Amino acid sequence: EPEVTQTPSHQVTQMGQEVILRCVPISNHLYFYWYRQILGQKVEFLVSFYNNEISEKSEIFDDQFSVERPDGSNFTLKIRSTKLEDSAMYFCASTQGTEPQHFGDGTRLSIL
Amino acid sequence: QKEVEQNSGPLSVPEGAIASLNCTYSDRVSQSFFWYRQYSGKSPELIMSIYSNGDKEDGRFTAQLNKASQYVSLLIRDSQPSDSATYLCAVIPGGGGTSYGKLTFGQGTILTVHP
Repeated sequence: EPEVTQTPSHQVTQMGQEVILRCVPISNHLYFYWYRQILGQKVEFLVSFYNNEISEKSEIFDDQFSVERPDGSNFTLKIRSTKLEDSAMYFCASTQGTEPQHFGDGTRLSIL
Repeated sequence: QKEVEQNSGPLSVPEGAIASLNCTYSDRVSQSFFWYRQYSGKSPELIMSIYSNGDKEDGRFTAQLNKASQYVSLLIRDSQPSDSATYLCAVIPGGGGTSYGKLTFGQGTILTVHP
């Protein structure tokens, strides 16, 4: 069964550094998402992406965040200057649009 | 703010029993509802989707939707220890009835099935 793949599984970064989280959505999917989950809290929507542009973003997704689909397969989330409060699990998800979203295994981001 | 509420539990049931998980949502026009299972440290895994009022069954799982009461539930029959996980209710706000909108999650209900 096709899967959403995310790399790395764990990223440790110093506060203030830039970090890029990578995702390869399922190949025929059209809609792409990033969610995050701070330890012990609910899963929160960050951003959705369709037709090579952001379709919706949450209040969390401020100027420090950006997303990109640089080629036909990768979907990246960049955090420009990381803060301690960015420590969380980051999940990528995708859908073709007619079925529920499929989630990747996540990247655990630890900011020191 | 569109909210999804779940009882955080923990809900403890004996093996073989029926586990009943409940969820309410605030956006009256929502049309798309999902149950995900999340094991500790893992990603959400889809169990069921439901879009119409009534019951939808898939194996040991039954999702129930009541839009008038803004209530969605998940029943797990013949519960197994491997069902022990956090169950996340998720809703796509708005009236589109699609699968491609953002998901709004509840905080999850922790289920423990003891032998």
